[in-house]
Amino acid sequence: EAGVAQSPRYKIIEKRQSVAFWCNPISGHATLYWYQQILGQGPKLLIQFQNNGVVDDSQLPKDRFSAERLKGVDSTLKIQPAKLEDSAVYLCASSLVQLGNTEAFFGQGTRLTVV
Amino acid sequence: GDSVTQMEGPVTLSEEAFLTINCTYTATGYPSLFWYVQYPGEGLQLLLKATKADDKGSNKGFEATYRKETTSFHLEKGSVQVSDSAVYFCALSAQGAQKLVFGQGTRLTINP
Repeated sequence: EAGVAQSPRYKIIEKRQSVAFWCNPISGHATLYWYQQILGQGPKLLIQFQNNGVVDDSQLPKDRFSAERLKGVDSTLKIQPAKLEDSAVYLCASSLVQLGNTEAFFGQGTRLTVV
Repeated sequence: GDSVTQMEGPVTLSEEAFLTINCTYTATGYPSLFWYVQYPGEGLQLLLKATKADDKGSNKGFEATYRKETTSFHLEKGSVQVSDSAVYFCALSAQGAQKLVFGQGTRLTINP
């Protein structure tokens, strides 16, 4: 079974530029998550989709971050314009729709460096 | 809000030593509890989980028991190996929710 695919693996941009990350979840997984992991910290949820609807985006900085999940499969996370503090690893995860007992499967992440 | 607190790292042990990584949580109701591991260069992967009080999760020689009375889910292993070197994350998902709330992670290094 293929895992969660993310691209690119690494990205270096200058502040105020824009950047986009792509995620392809495990086939059949209705729930998709984007997490931000700042160095030395645990992952923090940015946004959660169920199929192509948003379940939770309370922690997403909506003035600069946006995400979409067209057709309920692949997802794109965009940052525009980027700030230095956005330097982090962006993790995509997916899971079946099973409350509480759900295992989330993570991709390898995209490491973003903003200079 | 819900939160998870892990013991500060990094932790360095010799091979075959006993390991404990402490984890406590704050949540309403009955969350599910997880330990995730991140090996060098790899993504996060589930190590073990427990979904109700007094449940014990186990995998690869690691164990953790869901203690409601102390709101804890400490990770233990009786004899660690060099291959256990990784970053370990304690996490919870609140009752009725799917999203994970993570602790800050504990970096473990095992020396031969």
